[in-house]
Amino acid sequence: DGGITQSPKYLFRKEGQNVTLSCEQNLNHDAMYWYRQDPGQGLRLIYYSQIVNDFQKGDIAEGYSVSREKKESFPLTVTSAQKNPTAFYLCASSTWTSGIRANEQFFGPGTRLTVL
Amino acid sequence: AQSVTQPDIHITVSEGASLELRCNYSYGATPYLFWYVQSPGQGLQLLLKYFSGDTLVQGIKGFEAEFKRSQSSFNLRKPSVHWSDAAEYFCAVGSILIKAAGNKLTFGGGTRVLVKP
Repeated sequence: DGGITQSPKYLFRKEGQNVTLSCEQNLNHDAMYWYRQDPGQGLRLIYYSQIVNDFQKGDIAEGYSVSREKKESFPLTVTSAQKNPTAFYLCASSTWTSGIRANEQFFGPGTRLTVL
Repeated sequence: AQSVTQPDIHITVSEGASLELRCNYSYGATPYLFWYVQSPGQGLQLLLKYFSGDTLVQGIKGFEAEFKRSQSSFNLRKPSVHWSDAAEYFCAVGSILIKAAGNKLTFGGGTRVLVKP
């Protein structure tokens, strides 16, 4: 079955440590996205990538970094510079119809990061 | 910049009763509109989408939504709610980022639905 996997489901880290969240998709989608979800705030876009080796900052990119070395993978690193990293992180992917429409995004199950 | 407002943070409905969730958007061009549902601790699942054409859109799980351009609204409805519909619902508007070569979804804050037996 095609889909998006995120690992791990729960992650605990000490303050000041960098941590990398995994996101893999086998939907053959070109575009991938990372969102952060906090209670009562909906989803906020961190980074997105439309093509391998290229990515753009979203609305809240400070303290985060990404890479896109393979079409299937889009890992997110939460660095020690992120002031409030405890949150639920969601990865998504979509097809990309350049300049024509904004396609629906398909989401992974999420990773809950808790910084102690 | 686009924005989405979901005025109701919580809604409680009795099982078997009808449900309507409100969504208002702000977007200068033709909007691409979506409703997603999220169960606790899970990812988001697409319920339905509107790109163009018929303004009444049918989705999965018996949900439908109506696009009203004059009111900038895209409200979600279900005629008869089941206990399994208890979840959080998100409305989103999609935009095309020409300069940044991408597309983006802007989400509302969500409405949590509680179902009473």
